[in-house]
Amino acid sequence: GAVVSQHPSWVICKSGTSVKIECRSLDFQATTMFWYRQFPKQSLMLMATSNEGSKATYEQGVEKDKFLINHASLTLSTLTVTSAHPEDSSFYICSARVVRGGRSTEQFFGPGTRLTVL
Amino acid sequence: KQEVTQIPAALSVPEGENLVLNCSFTDSAIYNLQWFRQDPGKGLTSLLLIQSSQREQTSGRLNASLDKSSGRSTLYIAASQPGDSATYLCAVDRGSTLGRLYFGRGTQLTVWP
Repeated sequence: GAVVSQHPSWVICKSGTSVKIECRSLDFQATTMFWYRQFPKQSLMLMATSNEGSKATYEQGVEKDKFLINHASLTLSTLTVTSAHPEDSSFYICSARVVRGGRSTEQFFGPGTRLTVL
Repeated sequence: KQEVTQIPAALSVPEGENLVLNCSFTDSAIYNLQWFRQDPGKGLTSLLLIQSSQREQTSGRLNASLDKSSGRSTLYIAASQPGDSATYLCAVDRGSTLGRLYFGRGTQLTVWP
């Protein structure tokens, strides 16, 4: 159990286009999903936290108009990189967790999406 | 602000050695701590989760300990194998309702035959 999928696993696009990445919890309902980006040989940097049915909470320095997050259901969150540029090229990873009794529980990660912007 | 540090940044050992990876965190008020494995170009696989009330967790050849008061955790890998080669990340959860994790930069482990 506790499987999180991402689609696509990799994408190459031209500068100026928008790219949508999906994150799904396959066998559980996730009250909260997180989006991270990771540069080569660096750790994960949290971009935003999204709760189902509400607006995402963005980390300082992350442009909410550039990285649109939608958490429409308890099993699906999407990240749209709008007007992508080469500096947006990165590895994007989502994670999902269940909150029980007001406290967070174990977090499960997707396999990641490699975005390359030409 | 919670800061997580992992030492060493990289480790290269021959097969069969017992290893210790270190993780330290600045704020001892944590809810739990997780150790993850990441293979190149892949997502994270959860290895062990230690609740703040626990001292250690074991899974197969892996043993993770937690000393919350001193802000330290160690991941012990027994009888290392080439298949253990990966980057190992530790992350702490401060237990807020948001449940965000604070990650270290990881230890890149190479086990050669």
